[in-house]
Amino acid sequence: QVQLVESGGGVVQPGRSLRLSCVASGFTFNNYGMHWVRQAPGKGLEWVAVISYEGSNRDYVDSVKGRFTISRDDSKNTVYLQMDSLRAEDTAVYHCVKDLEKYKWNDPLDYWGQGTLVTVSS
Amino acid sequence: EIVMSQSPLSLAVTPGEPASISCRSSQSLLYSNGYNCLEWYLQKPGQSPQLLIYFGSIRASGVPDRFSGSGSGTDFTLQISRVEAEDGGIYYCVQCLQRKTFGQGTKLEIK
Repeated sequence: QVQLVESGGGVVQPGRSLRLSCVASGFTFNNYGMHWVRQAPGKGLEWVAVISYEGSNRDYVDSVKGRFTISRDDSKNTVYLQMDSLRAEDTAVYHCVKDLEKYKWNDPLDYWGQGTLVTVSS
Repeated sequence: EIVMSQSPLSLAVTPGEPASISCRSSQSLLYSNGYNCLEWYLQKPGQSPQLLIYFGSIRASGVPDRFSGSGSGTDFTLQISRVEAEDGGIYYCVQCLQRKTFGQGTKLEIK
């Protein structure tokens, strides 16, 4: 059974950093690309970042480019989102999401974690 | 950046009746292989989103056949042939040609 469990959220001041983690189980982690998708309170969904199954390709939504970094550690079945220079508009629940199929790039979004809340506020 | 626009933003449907949601992209989502890079998701209240349709018209595993996706290029439609009580929630179209971009969402209320 696929499980994705996020952690690392919390309250942080503008300009500070936070690192989110997502531990995966129930599938062969290093065969799948992984995404981060966020949802601001009461708002719609926004895709944030993707990393390829082998870790060599990454891409980001324009609003976080240069501030956020997605990475993965296949030995720990974990994907990370390093968030620097945080802004109030980054406040959201952050979900990690698994690609639908193996060895694909930017595949449909399959299993979602329950998310971790990041609040950027002074 | 490709911008996605959905309409209507909300609708209320009686069980057994059909429903239709439109989605328009700011540029063509048609791949050279003939597929459209367009996905549909449903987020039920209090739940994570679930994939309904990908490549414009392919139903994801386990999705009832009352859901269908159609369209090409910049104009797409999600149709529910006969709405059921469990279909309530927010529907999102997503382009996957350049990264991913979600539409604003369409809230489906079951009367």
